[in-house]
Amino acid sequence: NAGVTQTPKFQVLKTGQSMTLQCAQDMNHEYMSWYRQDPGMGLRLIHYSVGAGITDQGEVPNGYNVSRSTTEDFPLRLLSAAPSQTSVYFCASSYSSSGTGTYGYTFGSGTRLTVV
Amino acid sequence: SQQGEEDPQALSIQEGENATMNCSYKTSINNLQWYRQNSGRGLVHLILIRSNEREKHSGRLRVTLDTSKKSSSLLITASRAADTASYFCASAGGGADGLTFGKGTHLIIQP
Repeated sequence: NAGVTQTPKFQVLKTGQSMTLQCAQDMNHEYMSWYRQDPGMGLRLIHYSVGAGITDQGEVPNGYNVSRSTTEDFPLRLLSAAPSQTSVYFCASSYSSSGTGTYGYTFGSGTRLTVV
Repeated sequence: SQQGEEDPQALSIQEGENATMNCSYKTSINNLQWYRQNSGRGLVHLILIRSNEREKHSGRLRVTLDTSKKSSSLLITASRAADTASYFCASAGGGADGLTFGKGTHLIIQP
């Protein structure tokens, strides 16, 4: 099925560990982004990419790295996990590379991360 | 933060009634979008309204936009139990930094 695939769905990390959240889309979307969702905070943008080889920071980038070597994949790396990074992470893609989401964004089903 | 706000935060109505949710945003926009999120799932795009539009319909959904007041509303008519979900508005400012989301309205449809 066409869409955005995120793995893993659940993850528990110890403080200081690193890990990579995977995101892949098969819709040939130029624009990809990562959000985190916290209770009472809505969704906040972590990093985004307007195409392969191009990434930039969003509202809350500290503690996270991204890369975009292909159009399909946009992994999010946690460098040294902290309890404050406990959250639900969503990857989203959009056909329009402008980021305005002219045809809407397609979201993955999320990764629920707990840092202890 | 440039987050907008949804109002109300929670809404409980009877099946068959209409549900209205409001959204305010802070900066000029290219478009405004509404998303639905069922519990434990990802967000699903419902409808998009451009800054030069005032009203848009899609099935049982009606969206209005008032750029002078920086506000939008989402009306769901003839609500169904399956409409129970959280609803988010998201504004696109025209830059590459994507969507700015509100905190959401949790809608409960009582059978």
